[in-house]
Amino acid sequence: AQSVSQHNHHVILSEAASLELGCNYSYGGTVNLFWYVQYPGQHLQLLLKYFSGDPLVKGIKGFEAEFIKSKFSFNLRKPSVQWSDTAEYFCAVKFGSSWGKLQFGAGTQVVVTP
Amino acid sequence: DTEVTQTPKHLVMGMTNKKSLKCEQHMGHRAMYWYKQKAKKPPELMFVYSYEKLSINESVPSRFSPECPNSSLLNLHLHALQPEDSALYLCASSQGTDTDTQYFGPGTRLTVL
Repeated sequence: AQSVSQHNHHVILSEAASLELGCNYSYGGTVNLFWYVQYPGQHLQLLLKYFSGDPLVKGIKGFEAEFIKSKFSFNLRKPSVQWSDTAEYFCAVKFGSSWGKLQFGAGTQVVVTP
Repeated sequence: DTEVTQTPKHLVMGMTNKKSLKCEQHMGHRAMYWYKQKAKKPPELMFVYSYEKLSINESVPSRFSPECPNSSLLNLHLHALQPEDSALYLCASSQGTDTDTQYFGPGTRLTVL
C-alpha cells in the first residue's frame, strides 16, 4: 500500500541550529513530492515541491529538500532556523496514478527556542 | 496570486442544524478539494471536483454534501452532523493536471455541539 511517513513527531531546537526533517514514502512508481508548513493559527503554505529534474529543490524562507529516489526519501533542511520557523511541517506525496489525491505524512511539530 | 478564500472562519452548529461552508478561488484552477483536519493531525481528503464534476469521494458520510456551482466556487453543505465532525475544514484548488500543486485556504473551524 502507498504510504507516507515522517520520522519525527516533535523537534525542539535553538535558534541558529540546523534542521532536517525526514520523509519517506512507499511506492515504486512516479511521485510528486511536497513540503507544506502550517504556522500557528495559519493555513497550509507550500514550502517547496519536486516533480522531476534536479533532485535538490530550493523553496521559500531558506528551506531546501533533496529527493533520493533509491531511498524513497524527500528530506527537508534548513541550515539555520529562526524562532519564526516554529510550525507544523507536513510532507505530502501525489502518487503517479492517483490524480488529485495528495497523501500527507503525520506531520512534525517544530519548536524553535530563542 | 495564490489565494483561496473560505467563509466563515468559525462556525458553531447544533446537530440538527443545516449550514454551508464556502470556498472561492480566482486563479483559473479547474480542480477544487475539501479536506478535514483534526487537531495535531494531517489533512484528510474528503472530495475532489474536476471541471465542476465530482471526481473523488473518499467514502464521506452523506451528512456532508459538496457542491460546485461554477469553476471558482465550492460549497460544503452540512446537515445532522455529529460532535466528532468538529474539525478544521480546508479547501484547496489546483490547475487540475497531473503535475499540479494544491493551494490551501485558511479553513473553517467547525464546532458541532
